[in-house]
Amino acid sequence: DGGITQSPKYLFRKEGQNVTLSCEQNLNHDAMYWYRQDPGQGLRLIYYSQIVNDFQKGDIAEGYSVSREKKESFPLTVTSAQKNPTAFYLCASSRDRLGDTQYFGPGTRLTVL
Amino acid sequence: GIQVEQSPPDLILQEGANSTLRCNFSDSVNNLQWFHQNPWGQLINLFYIPSGTKQNGRLSATTVATERYSLLYISSSQTTDSGVYFCAVAGANNLFFGTGTRLTVIP
Repeated sequence: DGGITQSPKYLFRKEGQNVTLSCEQNLNHDAMYWYRQDPGQGLRLIYYSQIVNDFQKGDIAEGYSVSREKKESFPLTVTSAQKNPTAFYLCASSRDRLGDTQYFGPGTRLTVL
Repeated sequence: GIQVEQSPPDLILQEGANSTLRCNFSDSVNNLQWFHQNPWGQLINLFYIPSGTKQNGRLSATTVATERYSLLYISSSQTTDSGVYFCAVAGANNLFFGTGTRLTVIP
């Protein structure tokens, strides 16, 4: 089946540790995105990538890093510099440009203790 | 960035009722999308609608770009329609989501 997978579904980490969230897609999409959602809020864009080996900061990139070495994969690292990392993280992809119809993964709930 | 406001924030409907959700945005946008987030957090794209009107079954959407708003219509609501509805707009280099309308459909 074509789609977007994120792993793990739930993740617990101690404060001060870096953690990497996985996002893989087999839709042959060029563009991929990472969002953060806090309780009762909309989504906020962290980073996006419109092509392999290139990515752009979104609204709230501080404390996060990404890589795009393969078309199918767009991992997000939440670093210890992120002040409030506990949140629901969603990955999405679209055919090509920013703002095309987006397809979302199931999300990862990160809790930092 | 572009401000996106959705109304109402919460809506409770009896099964079978109709509803209209609104999305206002503060600037010209390249496109607009409507999403439904189910209670488990999964987001599903409903419409890609930078302008005009589209229909998909019991749902339809209209965007009037010149007046900077979009409407999502849900007819004959079902309990499975419950969840949060978001609109999102694309500017030149970013995507902006509204805070959503939480819909609860009761049997």
